[in-house]
Amino acid sequence: DAKTTQPPSMDCAEGRAANLPCNHSTISGNEYVYWYRQIHSQGPQYIIHGLKNNETNEMASLIITEDRKSSTLILPHATLRDTAVYYCIVRVKKYNNNDMRFGAGTRLTVKP
Amino acid sequence: ETGVTQSPTHLIKTRGQQVTLRCSSQSGHNTVSWYQQALGQGPQFIFQYYREEENGRGNFPPRFSGLQFPNYSSELNVNALELDDSALYLCASSLVGTTQETQYFGPGTRLLVL
Repeated sequence: DAKTTQPPSMDCAEGRAANLPCNHSTISGNEYVYWYRQIHSQGPQYIIHGLKNNETNEMASLIITEDRKSSTLILPHATLRDTAVYYCIVRVKKYNNNDMRFGAGTRLTVKP
Repeated sequence: ETGVTQSPTHLIKTRGQQVTLRCSSQSGHNTVSWYQQALGQGPQFIFQYYREEENGRGNFPPRFSGLQFPNYSSELNVNALELDDSALYLCASSLVGTTQETQYFGPGTRLLVL
């Protein structure tokens, strides 16, 4: 599976959009981009995933560049409860092989 | 809430002992994956169970073993505990074999080895 690079930390003002970048320059054509977040001492929470098209759900938007070498997770109106470590993961959706490899993630701090 | 539950929530053991951690998967899911998360690090994949058999393993020694039961719940067993085994142990369930293969995590079991 391809590796990802994320900034170790970011700050965002409450109510503003939080844009979290992820570099995955070695991504293969059949690898998906997944985003999870982990609030202190809790289990990781699934946010969103995509292959090549931009995706949006009730939590966030995922923008994947046309060459798929990078992506951005957007939290449109960050709240204090969005303070967490955000993980970008790329993986192949293989039948019977569903592991994920987490990196260090980005620690997002939302400030009032 | 993901519907994935883990027990116990916290556990203290001494070096050399054995421990069993339990995970109940989300309803309808057929696969359970286990992860170890040391303090300040991202989760590390231990192994995955599908149809009651181990199906993929990360870089963990054989003293880490598991089981999956017919109801898709799972156990993680660790023998001969070492101090470095102190960590948050996470399980995640998913429905492999369909387009919906996203993993959903439980709250974790925090293990402290003294």
